[in-house]
Amino acid sequence: QSALTQPASVSGSPGQSITISCTGSSNDIGGYNLVSWYQQFPGKAPKLIIAEVNERPSGISNRFSGSKSGNTASLTISGLQADDEADYYCCSYADGDTVIFGGGTKVIVL
Amino acid sequence: EVTLEESGGGWVQPGGSLRLSCKVSGFTFSNHEMRWVRQAPGKGLEWISYISQRGDTIYYANSVKGRFTISRDNAKNSLYLQMKSLSVEDTAMYYCARVGFVEEMDFWGQGTLVTVAS
Repeated sequence: QSALTQPASVSGSPGQSITISCTGSSNDIGGYNLVSWYQQFPGKAPKLIIAEVNERPSGISNRFSGSKSGNTASLTISGLQADDEADYYCCSYADGDTVIFGGGTKVIVL
Repeated sequence: EVTLEESGGGWVQPGGSLRLSCKVSGFTFSNHEMRWVRQAPGKGLEWISYISQRGDTIYYANSVKGRFTISRDNAKNSLYLQMKSLSVEDTAMYYCARVGFVEEMDFWGQGTLVTVAS
């Protein structure tokens, strides 16, 4: 399967809100409410920040929120901070008992 | 504290083999499905394999099917990935990840680097 489609980069100023889109198909995002999002800093392992479309694990800031409409999922970061600058990956459960990742989005804090 | 620690990475020539291990602690390993995910240098994340709690259900990405074998030893709290017929395209950081209750990967190891080069 092809990777889910994410923008290569998204930028914003401190305090602003940004949204990262993640587009798939009816075989993945559209067919299941099993979208997760991961934050990754350079040289570090990915970290779960959103599960099941919009659920935040314990300890994750409420500045991170997720949503889904049709075949597209979205991650919104509100009150953007300098330490939010990282790569963000979406992931969806998909037909055939697989999971598929997005290509990743670099968040740039201006 | 939940921890996952990969080992076994290194340099290998094309066509060679390696066996990766993932030792876990801080949770009941036998209660969780597990996945291997890799990341080529400067690239995105790629799911490569899944194993159920008892090891009786296994899946692979097409890119590794027939060459990689996932397994687990619940008595040793360990997950494994046997890799053979390696090519330069398999060069990547390999992560093991615990699967949560809604297919999310809720804990990850720090990764082990596999370099395939002549």
